[in-house]
Amino acid sequence: KNQVEQSPQSLIILEGKNCTLQCNYTVSPFSNLRWYKQDTGRGPVSLTIMTFSENTKSNGRYTATLDADTKQSSLHITASQLSDSASYICVVRGGSQGNLIFGKGTKLSVKP
Amino acid sequence: ETGVTQTPRHLVMGMTNKKSLKCEQHLGHNAMYWYKQSAKKPLELMFVYNFKEQTENNSVPSRFSPECPNSSHLFLHLHTLQPEDSALYLCASSPSLLSGGATDTQYFGPGTRLTVL
Repeated sequence: KNQVEQSPQSLIILEGKNCTLQCNYTVSPFSNLRWYKQDTGRGPVSLTIMTFSENTKSNGRYTATLDADTKQSSLHITASQLSDSASYICVVRGGSQGNLIFGKGTKLSVKP
Repeated sequence: ETGVTQTPRHLVMGMTNKKSLKCEQHLGHNAMYWYKQSAKKPLELMFVYNFKEQTENNSVPSRFSPECPNSSHLFLHLHTLQPEDSALYLCASSPSLLSGGATDTQYFGPGTRLTVL
């Protein structure tokens, strides 16, 4: 069964600290993996998209990694800011019909 | 802002009411989507439209009725809903139907928070 699992479910960190969010998937065949940021009361906004051949991609303080062999991705946030408080959703496109399979998200809270 | 607007932002309705959600995109996109987001569950794709034609209906109950009069507007008509239908309903658009390439991007609206009493 095609699934996307994210961990942790929630995370609290202090402002200025780094953190890493995990995404494991069982989707096959694989097309791409995207990380979204969803602020409270807003729709998701794309942070990065990675295809099979990409290992690392950065977007400012956000760095995503992909290991297609182990079917794992991580999103690393450097020098966190209060505005990073949001839910981060991992989405994998793949499967026999090329569907989008969404994870449940990780809720990040950055405290001053 | 993403260029996708949704109204209303909040809606409370009884189980016997009829209401409609509206989505408008100002991006010139041809594909539009309705998603349901419930607490602690992944986003669920409900409907997909491409050039005003419905291309996907993911076994959504008939109490949800979509309408796409043109490529810029998408509606979700609601009637005789159940309390378990309470959720955040998100609209999204993309330049064309998602093809799996690296440039696939959906742009989401802010959502309508629906509460069914």
